[in-house]
Amino acid sequence: RKEVEQDPGPFNVPEGATVAFNCTYSNSASQSFFWYRQDCRKEPKLLMSVYSSGNEDGRFTAQLNRASQYISLLIRDSKLSDSATYLCVVMDSSYKLIFGSGTRLLVRP
Amino acid sequence: GAVVSQHPSWVICKSGTSVKIECRSLDFQATTMFWYRQFPKQSLMLMATSNEGSKATYEQGVEKDKFLINHASLTLSTLTVTSAHPEDSSFYICSASGGRFSTDTQYFGPGTRLTVL
Repeated sequence: RKEVEQDPGPFNVPEGATVAFNCTYSNSASQSFFWYRQDCRKEPKLLMSVYSSGNEDGRFTAQLNRASQYISLLIRDSKLSDSATYLCVVMDSSYKLIFGSGTRLLVRP
Repeated sequence: GAVVSQHPSWVICKSGTSVKIECRSLDFQATTMFWYRQFPKQSLMLMATSNEGSKATYEQGVEKDKFLINHASLTLSTLTVTSAHPEDSSFYICSASGGRFSTDTQYFGPGTRLTVL
């Protein structure tokens, strides 16, 4: 079983749509959680950290459920520029980042 | 945020040669640097963790004699792929953490695309 699992997609949505990505992790001792965005042939870039209380940054909302070991990302009012691969990332107790394989999002006009 | 650079951004080499990739933290002192590898359509996989002035810690399955890591200063780490073969062709990405930033946050370099012919 992978340490961090994501639906690979692709999710193909029209502009303006709301889309949700899910992620599960296997190590209950994981201490920090993130969503990264990776564009084709580029390095990953931090989108947002994920907190147990849930957090929002503009059109992006992240949720963490430690009991279920489940993380989500909601994108509202999708833009063409949101097209990318979204990586669910978990930090373990030794500060190592464990990456999911990513969910690809395609936003069409 | 912090800036991390990598050089070169891409390299093509012949099988059997060695390739050195540099990772620099430009505006902060990185106590820890990480090296990742990403094959097409796969996730980033951590290869090794290096702390300034000490030997790197390699992940299981990564050959330390093949992937030489040197972290001689707080702003520079190098990864040398020795006797590269076509199966080493990949996207190599470094990240850095520490200094004035939280150890929770890693700042990624732009990556180096290695193609071994």
